[in-house]
Amino acid sequence: ILNVEQSPQSLHVQEGDSTNFTCSFPSSNFYALHWYRWETAKSPEALFVMTLNGDEKKKGRISATLNTKEGYSYLYIKGSQPEDSATYLCAFSRLGSNFGNEKLTFGTGTRLTIIP
Amino acid sequence: DGGITQSPKYLFRKEGQNVTLSCEQNLNHDAMYWYRQDPGQGLRLIYYSQIVNDFQKGDIAEGYSVSREKKESFPLTVTSAQKNPTAFYLCASSRDPNSGELFFGEGSRLTVL
Repeated sequence: ILNVEQSPQSLHVQEGDSTNFTCSFPSSNFYALHWYRWETAKSPEALFVMTLNGDEKKKGRISATLNTKEGYSYLYIKGSQPEDSATYLCAFSRLGSNFGNEKLTFGTGTRLTIIP
Repeated sequence: DGGITQSPKYLFRKEGQNVTLSCEQNLNHDAMYWYRQDPGQGLRLIYYSQIVNDFQKGDIAEGYSVSREKKESFPLTVTSAQKNPTAFYLCASSRDPNSGELFFGEGSRLTVL
């Protein structure tokens, strides 16, 4: 079983501050890295799917970077708002199968709470 | 609105009973997945289906069964053989099974008494 580590496990951030957290994954046989936001009582929602080393993606105030050679991805949130409170999941898939998504390994998530 | 609908949201069952969780999607996606979430663990894949009438075991398939008779539907049965069935279950689909983003339902929480 491949380990995907997310840190920190939880985080409290003052509204308006910026924050970031990490997803670490095995650097060999990389295929894709997914980020999801999961608000309480809702369904997880895809933020980014990244496949290329050095990739940077942005959606509003949220951005992510990817380093496949060293096996990590950062998620950044600029100017945190209360609606950013959620659990952020990353998932890694590796080469070696006909398809990628069935090989997704999820981290345990970073639980972000924005303090008004 | 397009999306994934899971039902029921909460389910209580006695030990030894089989339970079926429903998952329906109107996104016209070929690939569908069932995941299980336990406290302190990442989502774990139970079963997946790339196309109608075909499905494959995931990492923790023991004690579960599925069917995929229609593109829209991928029900999961938790059988009495599943040793620890109490958990939160998430269904998902994707347009591209290779690396496309997953679309999730809101989940079903099963408690076995």
